[in-house]
Amino acid sequence: ETGVTQTPRHLVMGMTNKKSLKCEQHLGHNAMYWYKQSAKKPLELMFVYNFKEQTENNSVPSRFSPECPNSSHLFLHLHTLQPEDSALYLCASSPSTSGLSYEQYFGPGTRLTVT
Amino acid sequence: GNSVTQMEGPVTLSEEVFLTINCTYTATGYPSLFWYVQYPGEGLQLLLKATKADDKGSNKGFEATYRKETTSFHLEKGSVQVSDSAVYFCALAVYGGKLIFGQGTELSVKP
Repeated sequence: ETGVTQTPRHLVMGMTNKKSLKCEQHLGHNAMYWYKQSAKKPLELMFVYNFKEQTENNSVPSRFSPECPNSSHLFLHLHTLQPEDSALYLCASSPSTSGLSYEQYFGPGTRLTVT
Repeated sequence: GNSVTQMEGPVTLSEEVFLTINCTYTATGYPSLFWYVQYPGEGLQLLLKATKADDKGSNKGFEATYRKETTSFHLEKGSVQVSDSAVYFCALAVYGGKLIFGQGTELSVKP
């Protein structure tokens, strides 16, 4: 595997379910990110991790719970979601969060539908 | 605050015509600027970047120049192809590793 991978690619869940999204990067990066992409809205940054430590929580509801066990893996645990949480969830990585010139590398995303 | 504004889409063009997608930004300091592209069903891919004023980023026939005086980073291509159909995002980087994205511009190129 190369780059940034995400599983599953598609997920349908009920509002009472608990599920997790997984992201893995094979680039040797130290920073990882979760974004939410909804139709007709700009990408929304949700969480940032740098060297496994959370450095940003962009006022995300507690029904989204991130986990970063090491610099290569990032999870997003989901529980009691709402229909408006249906979106494409994108994971990204970068060498670190310091400096302004580092680009972020994105995974293909998980298309989440909450019923 | 920091923000990015892109031209509204969708933009529909015929193959081989000139493309411009406008992007302007508001930022404190001197951010790096990026263009990302998202093909249907995929994540975002970095298309090009510029890290300081007057820098020109280029890739796959696309170009954008970092214009500090007009706070702009317009994307251009001399001759678009059907395969360029995608959504294009302008973004700026701020401290803390955050990217601020524009709303995206959908491009559709017809043969």
